[in-house]
Amino acid sequence: NAGVMQNPRHLVRRRGQEARLRCSPMKGHSHVYWYRQLPEEGLKFMVYLQKENIIDESGMPKERFSAEFPKEGPSILRIQQVVRGDSAAYFCASLQQGEQYFGPGTRLTVT
Amino acid sequence: GENVEQHPSTLSVQEGDSAVIKCTYSDSASNYFPWYKQELGKRPQLIIDIRSNVGEKKDQRIAVTLNKTAKHFSLHITETQPEDSAVYFCAALGGGGNKLTFGTGTQLKVEL
Repeated sequence: NAGVMQNPRHLVRRRGQEARLRCSPMKGHSHVYWYRQLPEEGLKFMVYLQKENIIDESGMPKERFSAEFPKEGPSILRIQQVVRGDSAAYFCASLQQGEQYFGPGTRLTVT
Repeated sequence: GENVEQHPSTLSVQEGDSAVIKCTYSDSASNYFPWYKQELGKRPQLIIDIRSNVGEKKDQRIAVTLNKTAKHFSLHITETQPEDSAVYFCAALGGGGNKLTFGTGTQLKVEL
């Protein structure tokens, strides 16, 4: 749905650098989901956040990955010390009446 | 947690034929089952969904059926067209209502 915004659309990082991915949900929504999609694979749940609160982070890797959704501003998925295996498309989704709508995704390439 | 299995992984049909994709789920408390279509390089798009209080839902050439007893649901596309070619994902919303669990996807190819 055009209402869910993500930036940047493409991000290139060298191994060891940090990647910051941003997501703004549909206007008025305070729930954000992050998913990772490896090349030619399915969507894997990472984390579910509400404003200022992490509801479910059962899909997040234990190290290097973190997420936040501050009171003001977009949700941010942060990957520290990126490795080549982090190369993937990262989608966020917003919830409306039980239906999830996805943003356009950020394609992260680690060189 | 919820586990969703999807079959087949690839499906090739002739234009005009029907296509059926099947999914099973494990959590009997799951109550919402959407289907997404993803074209190459694009975001998943919600195409149809069904809730556990109905057994079938139809929207033009697309229909979804749900069998709660057997814990499986299916996507049916009739009169397929080349633009139907994409990857289709099923998903289930668990009883906790927090997150969708996705199937592994079906690559549908509609051949002329």
